[in-house]
Amino acid sequence: GESVGLHLPTLSVQEGDNSIINCAYSNSASDYFIWYKQESGKGPQFIIDIRSNMDKRQGQRVTVLLNKTVKHLSLQIAATQPGDSAVYFCADPRGGNEKLTFGTGTRLTIIP
Amino acid sequence: KAGVTQTPRYLIKTRGQQVTLSCSPISGHRSVSWYQQTPGQGLQFLFEYFSETQRNKGNFPGRFSGRQFSNSRSEMNVSTLELGDSALYLCASSLGSWRQGNSPLHFGNGTRLTVT
Repeated sequence: GESVGLHLPTLSVQEGDNSIINCAYSNSASDYFIWYKQESGKGPQFIIDIRSNMDKRQGQRVTVLLNKTVKHLSLQIAATQPGDSAVYFCADPRGGNEKLTFGTGTRLTIIP
Repeated sequence: KAGVTQTPRYLIKTRGQQVTLSCSPISGHRSVSWYQQTPGQGLQFLFEYFSETQRNKGNFPGRFSGRQFSNSRSEMNVSTLELGDSALYLCASSLGSWRQGNSPLHFGNGTRLTVT
């Protein structure tokens, strides 16, 4: 079946460095992607989204890149801080449904 | 603006019992979705309600049900609890057209259900 959000399970980054979290998807029809951050004991928190008519979108300290050719997107976090430690998910809606399909997530650990 | 509120935060139930979880969406949000999160299966969509009607449903057995009230508040019910129902149940709200980019889903902090 088609999948979304094939993540590396863990990533450790030195505080102050930039981090890149990757996500692969298989559904060519996917046209909208969302990144969420989930801290321990909390629900997922919206970070940034991107539509398929864009290659790049920037937020505060975060950038999402979308490569439709290889069905890959990435979340870049600049100058990581301890508060960035969390599990990061990419997600997309399937077909015409309003539901989100989440990937397995990447646990980002910031090393002080 | 207050976020999505879920009650209770923690629940312990016995196999065979039933449970009702509550969700209050962000003010003005008309869509409420429910997700189940487990270590093994990750985040899985249960169902979505918009204007008191179930608009979408995931692949869960009929023991899982929900409803939405006229004030957009929502409840989900699980009957005949099984051990495998132990999970974090998350509620999310939006304006109702988030896929068009008008409003992303905003999640609550969930209800942790433990079935013994």
